[in-house]
Amino acid sequence: DAKTTQPPSMDCAEGRAANLPCNHSTISGNEYVYWYRQIHSQGPQYIIHGLKNNETNEMASLIITEDRKSSTLILPHATLRDTAVYYCIVRVWWAGANNLFFGTGTRLTVIP
Amino acid sequence: GAGVSQSPSNKVTEKGKDVELRCDPISGHTALYWYRQSLGQGLEFLIYFQGNSAPDKSGLPSDRFSAERTGGSVSTLTIQRTQQEDSAVYLCASSSGLAGVQETQYFGPGTRLLVL
Repeated sequence: DAKTTQPPSMDCAEGRAANLPCNHSTISGNEYVYWYRQIHSQGPQYIIHGLKNNETNEMASLIITEDRKSSTLILPHATLRDTAVYYCIVRVWWAGANNLFFGTGTRLTVIP
Repeated sequence: GAGVSQSPSNKVTEKGKDVELRCDPISGHTALYWYRQSLGQGLEFLIYFQGNSAPDKSGLPSDRFSAERTGGSVSTLTIQRTQQEDSAVYLCASSSGLAGVQETQYFGPGTRLLVL
């Protein structure tokens, strides 16, 4: 699985958009980009994933560059409850190799 | 339906003791994973069960760690002769395990283990 690079921490004002970058320059054509987050004292929570196209759901938007070497997770209106560590993961889905490899992620702090 | 549950939520033990951590996956999920997260670190993969196949134990840090999954559902992670460096949050996740489907892992709340 490709490795990812994320900034260790970011701040965002409450109500503003939070844009979390992730570099995955060695991503393969069959690897997906997944985002999880982990709020303090809880297990990781799935946010969104994509392959090539931009994706949006009720939680966030995922923007993947055309060369797929980087992506950005966008929380459109950050709230205090969005304070968490955000993990960007790229992985191939095979029937026999499903484990996610988590790095240290980006600690997002939403400021009132 | 219920999510992934883990027990106990917190465990304090003395160095050298054995501990058992339990995971109840989402009903119907055939894939189950164990991870651990040490303070300030990312998640570290430990072991993966898929149906009746032999588990992927490639992430287990030492032979003191073992895991079972009985009846294809509940899993138990056992740590023998615990050491202080075993202190961490142990997370369990499950997924549907359906071939060809983009898999999303659903995580439990974790067990916080402190070895004194």
